Amino acid sequence: DSGVTQTPKHLITATGQRVTLRCSPRSGDLSVYWYQQSLDQGLQFLIQYYNGEERAKGNILERFSAQQFPDLHSELNLSSLELGDSALYFCASSTSPTGGSPLHFGNGTRLTVT
Amino acid sequence: GENVEQHPSTLSVQEGDSAVIKCTYSDSASNYFPWYKQELGKRPQLIIDIRSNVGEKKDQRIAVTLNKTAKHFSLHITETQPEDSAVYFCAALGPLSLTGGGNKLTFGTGTQLKVEL
Repeated sequence: DSGVTQTPKHLITATGQRVTLRCSPRSGDLSVYWYQQSLDQGLQFLIQYYNGEERAKGNILERFSAQQFPDLHSELNLSSLELGDSALYFCASSTSPTGGSPLHFGNGTRLTVT
Repeated sequence: GENVEQHPSTLSVQEGDSAVIKCTYSDSASNYFPWYKQELGKRPQLIIDIRSNVGEKKDQRIAVTLNKTAKHFSLHITETQPEDSAVYFCAALGPLSLTGGGNKLTFGTGTQLKVEL
């Protein structure tokens, strides 16, 4: 068990809808990262937060947004969903704001858009 | 931005043999290179990492080597066992973001390792 909790485990929704994925980092970790894992594209970095502030951004679509709350949990919001958004979404946490410490991954949320 | 290439995409070895997975990166400022193992249906887990001030690191049957000049790093698994079968990802930590001060870990596309009995 990594100590990182992601909910829900599975999500099935229709195109055009909006969903929220939730992540609670390991106790003591202030950094939260979101990654998207599709079959053909490996692990794609979306966004990083540290202690409530956005620190780095990857190829995150404008339809996607995230935030980190004062209690350090984070939410990833995906809107106007398309079939291509179907993927496994991982949250990871670490101690470092600059990424030089190990990432601890949650078990992921599998999103299926129909 | 950082680009990480990983080879091979699939690797099949006999139990007891060694396995080598190679990665190259593009940004000479990258300074942290972890390797993750992902079993089917599970989360990626860190197995070993190396920083740019070190050329080699070993942990039991696993070793990683780094050649900063050539911008490549490799994972070596000796005496492979069936439980080593998984997808292995290399990653490289890029330079600090100019806007937020964080930096992103860019992953390779993965190597499916199969250890056959």
